[in-house]
Amino acid sequence: QLVLTQSPSASASLGASVKFTCTLSSGHSSSAIAWHQQQPEKGPRYLMKVNSDGSHNKGDGIPDRFSGSSSGAERYLTISSLQSEDEADYYCQTWATGIRVFGGGTKLTVL
Amino acid sequence: EVQLLESGGGLAQPGGSLRLSCAASGFTFTTYAMTWVRRAPGRGLEWVSTLAPSGVSTYYADSVRGRFTISRDNFKDTLYLQMNSLRAEDTAVYYCGKDEASGSWTDSWGQGTLVTVSS
Repeated sequence: QLVLTQSPSASASLGASVKFTCTLSSGHSSSAIAWHQQQPEKGPRYLMKVNSDGSHNKGDGIPDRFSGSSSGAERYLTISSLQSEDEADYYCQTWATGIRVFGGGTKLTVL
Repeated sequence: EVQLLESGGGLAQPGGSLRLSCAASGFTFTTYAMTWVRRAPGRGLEWVSTLAPSGVSTYYADSVRGRFTISRDNFKDTLYLQMNSLRAEDTAVYYCGKDEASGSWTDSWGQGTLVTVSS
């Protein structure tokens, strides 16, 4: 079964860095994922696709301080130089034939 | 610039129906798969349905299969979601999205429309 696991919450200080983890279920460790951000009361925003080799393709207008990486079945999103507007929910998403799956999301609090 | 504008949300009774629309602009609508996702109160994003560019191939989450129908009008650049036999658990903000070229993930999103199912 295709499942993505995320920690429910994270916090970091203004100007610091934070790294989110998305873990693919057994048997799917080579799958790519996409990261999306959802700020309060807004629609989601596509951030980037992260491949199993760590390469990533960012969406239009996504700042350089957002980056992606991989290790085994884990896919990461790192945000550096945190700003107040980064306070949001972050979701990973993957896909297989005929199905899309979201992780449960991580709520980021910027202190 | 890609723009997606959802409409059609509102209050429906359990067992009732609603049809959501998503007007697309800023890209060649006929070329891309389109997707609906939702976010229920206090929950995360949930994939609902995806439709291939041709409108022939459709995919649904188990939670809506047999009750919801996704469709598109490639002349009007509009995506639809017909929701029948609505349940309280369908209450959510519904978002439409444009998929990237391979049709595997969504790279542009709308702002959403709220559906409330309650008696």
